[in-house]
Amino acid sequence: QKEVEQDPGPLSVPEGAIVSLNCTYSNSAFQYFMWYRQYSRKGPELLMYTYSSGNKEDGRFTAQVDKSSKYISLFIRDSQPSDSATYLCAMESGGSYIPTFGRGTSLIVHP
Amino acid sequence: DAGVTQSPTHLIKTRGQQVTLRCSPKSGHDTVSWYQQALGQGPQFIFQYYEEEERQRGNFPDRFSGHQFPNYSSELNVNALLLGDSALYLCASSLAGRGSNTGELFFGEGSRLTVL
Repeated sequence: QKEVEQDPGPLSVPEGAIVSLNCTYSNSAFQYFMWYRQYSRKGPELLMYTYSSGNKEDGRFTAQVDKSSKYISLFIRDSQPSDSATYLCAMESGGSYIPTFGRGTSLIVHP
Repeated sequence: DAGVTQSPTHLIKTRGQQVTLRCSPKSGHDTVSWYQQALGQGPQFIFQYYEEEERQRGNFPDRFSGHQFPNYSSELNVNALLLGDSALYLCASSLAGRGSNTGELFFGEGSRLTVL
C-alpha cells in the first residue's frame, strides 16, 4: 500500500461545475497537507497549504483535511477551462520539508 | 524575480551513458530538492541539498548523485543510464527554517530525459 493514494482520473466536468478531488493516506504522522497544480509540460505549483485538520478557503478553492479518516479533499467552485490540469496532493510530517506526493488526478473542464 | 530555472529542458541519451542536469534556485532560497516524475506518476523524492551537503535522500541507487555550489545552485548526475530512468526531473527550491511554510516548494519546469 502506498503512503498516499490518489485516483488518477481523468475527471471530466462541464464549465461551472463543482469539482471534488481527494486523497487518502496511511501515515498518521502527516501534519502538513498541500495541493499542487501541474499544467502539461510544466512543474507543479503550490495551490493550497493546510496544517492539521480543518478547512481552508482561497477564492474558488477549498481544502479540507480529516485526520481521523486520513482523507483530504480539494473543492473547486465554478470550474473554468483554465483549471484543466493535474492536481497533486502532498503531505509531510513536519521538519523535513520533504513532502510525499500522490500520483495526481487529471482534471478536464470542457466549455 | 526569477523563479527556479533548470537546464537542459529536453535531452536524449542512450543506455549506459551519463547525464548532468542543472538547477538555479529561486532568489533567496538556500535549499534544493530533486524529484523524479515518471509519466502518469507523482514526483518521487531523490535527495535534498542544504549548505552544500546532501541532507536527506530518497530510495534511489548510488547511480544518482548530486552537488550544491556556494551560490546554492545544484546539479543532478545520473550514471549508467537505464531505460527506466526516462522521466521528468524536477528541481524544487525552498528556504530552510521558514517556520509555518513547511513543504512550500517552488518547482522549476523540469528536464525531460529520454533514455533509448
